[in-house]
Amino acid sequence: QQQLQESGPGLLKPSETLSLTCSVSGDSIISDNYYWGWIRQPPGKGLEWIGSIHYSGSTFNNPSLRSGVIISVDTSKNQFSLRLTSVTAADTAVYYCARCGIAAAGRQFDNWGPGTLVTVSS
Amino acid sequence: DIQMTQSPSSVSAFVGDTVTITCRASQPITRWLSWYQQRPGQAPKLLMYAASNLLSDVPSRFTGSGSETEFTLTITSLQPEDFAIYYCQQSHRFPLSFGAGTRVEI
Repeated sequence: QQQLQESGPGLLKPSETLSLTCSVSGDSIISDNYYWGWIRQPPGKGLEWIGSIHYSGSTFNNPSLRSGVIISVDTSKNQFSLRLTSVTAADTAVYYCARCGIAAAGRQFDNWGPGTLVTVSS
Repeated sequence: DIQMTQSPSSVSAFVGDTVTITCRASQPITRWLSWYQQRPGQAPKLLMYAASNLLSDVPSRFTGSGSETEFTLTITSLQPEDFAIYYCQQSHRFPLSFGAGTRVEI
């Protein structure tokens, strides 16, 4: 059974860089049928799509997030990663990684990691 | 960008009741609409995609309908485990976007 697990620092200071990794187990990240995405949820608020990446390296990012979002994939480790530079308190959120169907399948997020809380505070 | 508006923002109901949640898109999205359930402290769980396609492990008391700009999620015979927050998500066009959520409370 495929599982996703986020990992990375839980506490950052303003202006630092957020780096998270999503490890995929139980299945290969190399699939023509899926993208791999990041979604975040500020405490007590709703869901915001950050971006998605295909194993080929093709990416789609949410332009409403400021520049400085980089999503990458490492097929040798069956992982994909998120980097967000110059964080502020507004980036405090639970960050989820999730599997996303390709366009023809509907781009729904059908498998999620448990999420990791990232707090930005001085 | 496509804005997704859910209503109501919260609803109180009893076990056994029927609840209907509406999701409206700011522009037509054909049927590219998914529904998620999020229980406290958990990640969202996909219930339905393409407006009305129920995942195999989701009870049949959940039904979805709609197209273009108006969609509904109906839960009949509410069970205790159904009390959660429900989100819609459009996947017609990037950037992908979610509704603000509807809390179903006891």
